[in-house]
Amino acid sequence: AQKVTQAQTEISVVEKEDVTLDCVYETRDTTYYLFWYKQPPSGELVFLIRRNSFDEQNEISGRYSWNFQKSTSSFNFTITASQVVDSAVYFCALSGGLDTGRRALTFGSGTRLQVQP
Amino acid sequence: DVKVTQSSRYLVKRTGEKVFLECVQDMDHENMFWYRQDPGLGLRLIYFSYDVKMKEKGDIPEGYSVSREKKERFSLILESASTNQTSMYLCASSSGTDFGYGYTFGSGTRLTVV
Repeated sequence: AQKVTQAQTEISVVEKEDVTLDCVYETRDTTYYLFWYKQPPSGELVFLIRRNSFDEQNEISGRYSWNFQKSTSSFNFTITASQVVDSAVYFCALSGGLDTGRRALTFGSGTRLQVQP
Repeated sequence: DVKVTQSSRYLVKRTGEKVFLECVQDMDHENMFWYRQDPGLGLRLIYFSYDVKMKEKGDIPEGYSVSREKKERFSLILESASTNQTSMYLCASSSGTDFGYGYTFGSGTRLTVV
């Protein structure tokens, strides 16, 4: 069965601090995709990134960076120099694949990030 | 931009009522999904559909049914609402037949069953 674990329920930081959100996954698929979504207070989930299981290169987009390590089944998300606008709930998600045949995403329980001014 | 529209932002229903949650997408996406979101549990898949009139059960289908008569519309039905179905309901859609497409989400419907 597929599973996504976000062990950090809530993180509180002060503005300009760096923060890392952890994501650990389990799957028996050999090809899969990993995602991060942001849910601001308005409620609508916003897509942040997709990563293919064959591509372990880290990715950086502005203040955001992602570290994918297949060996530890982790896909961690770092925000550098956090801002109040980063306050949201962040979800990690895992796609299905040909082995499991699961067509829908499996989501973690989310990490609530609060950035204090 | 792809838009996924959920008909109601907030709903209050009584126990035992039949409840319809509507979702419409405007980008001709093949796949549509219903999730519920509860604190500490994240998003859990209720049902999804990858074609008109096709549906598959997700992880927590009990107490729910769905309808997809047209490609753009996917309805979630609570046959007899119960208080444990009080939750935030999220609709999403995605394109394509492979497994790697991300979702576009609606704004959610917060349902309270009293």
